[in-house]
Amino acid sequence: KAGVTQTPRYLIKTRGQQVTLSCSPISGHRSVSWYQQTPGQGLQFLFEYFSETQRNKGNFPGRFSGRQFSNSRSEMNVSTLELGDSALYLCASSFYNEQFFGPGTRLTVL
Amino acid sequence: KNEVEQSPQNLTAQEGEFITINCSYSVGISALHWLQQHPGGGIVSLFMLSSGKKKHGRLIATINIQEKHSSLHITASHPRDSAVYICAVPRETSGSRLTFGEGTQLTVNP
Repeated sequence: KAGVTQTPRYLIKTRGQQVTLSCSPISGHRSVSWYQQTPGQGLQFLFEYFSETQRNKGNFPGRFSGRQFSNSRSEMNVSTLELGDSALYLCASSFYNEQFFGPGTRLTVL
Repeated sequence: KNEVEQSPQNLTAQEGEFITINCSYSVGISALHWLQQHPGGGIVSLFMLSSGKKKHGRLIATINIQEKHSSLHITASHPRDSAVYICAVPRETSGSRLTFGEGTQLTVNP
């Protein structure tokens, strides 16, 4: 089975722009969670989608949003980028509580 | 006080040494994850455990749910074990919404 894939792997944007990241879960997994990792804050939960519905949301501003499609693929969007949004964005798909992480998208905001 | 605390933060060992990383948590429901992150960012799930002990190769993880404490042991450590080890606990019964420890940076010297 293929693992969790994330695209793109690296991204450079400027302040004020918006960005969309994509995550394809392992086949058969219906839950996708997104996490942000920064040197200062470590790993933090962004949101979780299950069967196209947001099931949980972390403590992030409304500039961070996401969605899930009927094939369980998920996207997250960050609007009006700030320098502090520079981070590694990880998604994880889960099946019976075990989470499988993707390789991450490294976003740099200049 | 962090909800998930790991110790030590940094650990340097000689090849062959027995290594222990500890994790104490005040939140979370019933299960705990041990994750490994190599330079470059990719996260690999090592263990998910809700009771007792699990072993995979040279890695052993134990958990005491009543005391909310877990340990990760590495026997006969090797330089390729050098990585950041992170414990995480889910805040939802679905197993999602992980809260992470700050990680333990392990360096194993030859």
